[in-house]
Amino acid sequence: AQSVTQPDIHITVSEGASLELRCNYSYGATPYLFWYVQSPGQGLQLLLKYFSGDTLVQGIKGFEAEFKRSQSSFNLRKPSVHWSDAAEYFCAVGGATGGYQKVTFGTGTKLQVIP
Amino acid sequence: SAVISQKPSRDICQRGTSLTIQCQVDSQVTMMFWYRQQPGQSLTLIATANQGSEATYESGFVIDKFPISRPNLTFSTLTVSNMSPEDSSIYLCSVPDRTSGNTIYFGEGSWLTVV
Repeated sequence: AQSVTQPDIHITVSEGASLELRCNYSYGATPYLFWYVQSPGQGLQLLLKYFSGDTLVQGIKGFEAEFKRSQSSFNLRKPSVHWSDAAEYFCAVGGATGGYQKVTFGTGTKLQVIP
Repeated sequence: SAVISQKPSRDICQRGTSLTIQCQVDSQVTMMFWYRQQPGQSLTLIATANQGSEATYESGFVIDKFPISRPNLTFSTLTVSNMSPEDSSIYLCSVPDRTSGNTIYFGEGSWLTVV
């Protein structure tokens, strides 16, 4: 069964500092990997996704993520955090065998940004 | 990505009553998904709704509690029946990407509080 682990429930960073949110997945084949962001009172917005090819993927809002097969990881990074990045971030994994596969979400990491 | 609209965006409901959530998509989609996000929790798939057939429910969710309609390719409803405080959650409608089907996009969610 596929699963996602986000080991950090809550992270606090200073505005302007760099950010890395961890995500580890379990999936029997080549996974599709996603990062979503949920701002307070909002639905989920797709930040970026990895299907194949270059293991470093760029997303919206200056975020990037790196797929490391050997570590079963897909960590999200941003070089300089802005106060508006305060939100909850969800990593997710889906199938990669064509068509739609069930997507499984991690438990989320809540990001707090301090001035 | 598709534009997904949900109604209501928020509601406070009395214990024992039922509430129907509507999901409208701006394009035709074969599958629509309903997720639940309980307070402080991740997203859990309730069911997959295909037009013209019965919805497929995930383990732990039953049709009597969460009846779903899918009358056409752009619309679906989820009813939360005989509500209890444990049903207080965000309910999210989502649809797969039209081109790849492996990315899912979300509506803004319906935030229900049961008192």
